Amino acid sequence: DTAVSQTPKYLVTQMGNDKSIKCEQNLGHDTMYWYKQDSKKFLKIMFSYNNKELIINETVPNRFSPKSPDKAHLNLHINSLELGDSAVYFCASSQGVSGGYNQPQHFGDGTRLSIL
Amino acid sequence: AQKVTQAQTEISVVEKEDVTLDCVYETRDTTYYLFWYKQPPSGELVFLIRRNSFDEQNEISGRYSWNFQKSTSSFNFTITASQVVDSAVYFCASGGGADGLTFGKGTHLIIQP
Repeated sequence: DTAVSQTPKYLVTQMGNDKSIKCEQNLGHDTMYWYKQDSKKFLKIMFSYNNKELIINETVPNRFSPKSPDKAHLNLHINSLELGDSAVYFCASSQGVSGGYNQPQHFGDGTRLSIL
Repeated sequence: AQKVTQAQTEISVVEKEDVTLDCVYETRDTTYYLFWYKQPPSGELVFLIRRNSFDEQNEISGRYSWNFQKSTSSFNFTITASQVVDSAVYFCASGGGADGLTFGKGTHLIIQP
């Protein structure tokens, strides 16, 4: 049983294209996130959603648009892809945000995006 | 704002040696949470431990142990009798909740047979 699943696992595309990454969690969590891991392995939060509402947008270019149709899904759409977008993108989810208990985040396996 | 520093970029030890990974954090919050994650060569992120600021007790889980010291703002991770399968990048992180996690830059641990 996969807790947080992302598709696709690999994405190779040309500069200027538009692409989407899908994320689903079956843990019943109320908060979902997107993180970017660059070539030096540095992990940085991009977005967080709580019960389908955007909470955090960490100075991400507006070419990146997250969409949460329900609290189990948080998809990431990227317009006009640039070379610098090449990275591994991780989706994550957690529970207990509203109570402030900062429960552990469970991560998907990542999507490796390569821009040619 | 939170900040996490992992000063050790890479550590290489021979199997069965003990190894400690350092983590220093900065926060203005009185209540905060600290985490460790493991990223093996296969790339996934595996949760290891969560610690809140009210609980300074050290924790042991098998060969893994964690030393949380508020006085030095440190949350260090020790692997006893290291094994090749412990080879991975280990991340210390703080925060969580709606703000997400603030990660350190990671320590690449290499266990040589």
